[in-house]
Amino acid sequence: DMQMTQSPSTLSASIGDRVTITCRASQSISIWLAWYQQKPGKAPKLLIYKASTLESGVPSRFSGSGSGTEFTLTISSLQPDDFATYYCQQYKSHRTFGQGTKVEIK
Amino acid sequence: EVQLVESGGGLVQPGGSLRLSCAASGFTFSSYSMNWVRQAPGKGLEWLSYISGSSTTIYDADSVKGRFTISRDNAKNALYLQMNSLRVEDTAVYYCAREANIEGATLPDNWGRGTLVTVSS
Repeated sequence: DMQMTQSPSTLSASIGDRVTITCRASQSISIWLAWYQQKPGKAPKLLIYKASTLESGVPSRFSGSGSGTEFTLTISSLQPDDFATYYCQQYKSHRTFGQGTKVEIK
Repeated sequence: EVQLVESGGGLVQPGGSLRLSCAASGFTFSSYSMNWVRQAPGKGLEWLSYISGSSTTIYDADSVKGRFTISRDNAKNALYLQMNSLRVEDTAVYYCAREANIEGATLPDNWGRGTLVTVSS
């Protein structure tokens, strides 16, 4: 079974900080990786697909990179609206989510 | 506007059954694959099941294989999840999610607000 491992589990940061979240796949998934943002009590929102393509309407401060088994989500300058939990998801073989990274206020 | 509205959640005893529904609107339902995803209280997202637009392809996570069954009725624009032999650990918010074909592959792009299932005696 495919496993997705995110790090860190929790990240404390301040407004304006550059933030990086890592996601590792247990086997190669090429570029078939998406990132979602979820706020408390809300449904997940698609941010990035194909590892690095920004979904329409997503601010350009979000970026994704990687291929194979290692991927990153970067927020270049953290804004108040960005405090949330972020999930990676592979869609090469069925679907598998990472365990999530909570970005909280420092 | 894409709308997905889940229903059918509630309190059920261990060993019991429940059928969740997801009403879809704002898009041609039969042209899209669909998923069920759940989230236990305070936990992460867990993908459960996938069904293609014509119901010819179904995938299930190992954690629910043999207990949960995904199905759809394209005439009613509805997605279903039949859940049997429910366990306390199945307590979660259950989301339906549409799969969109984006640049050569499909992935979940729109989600409902979820319905809460509580399994407890």
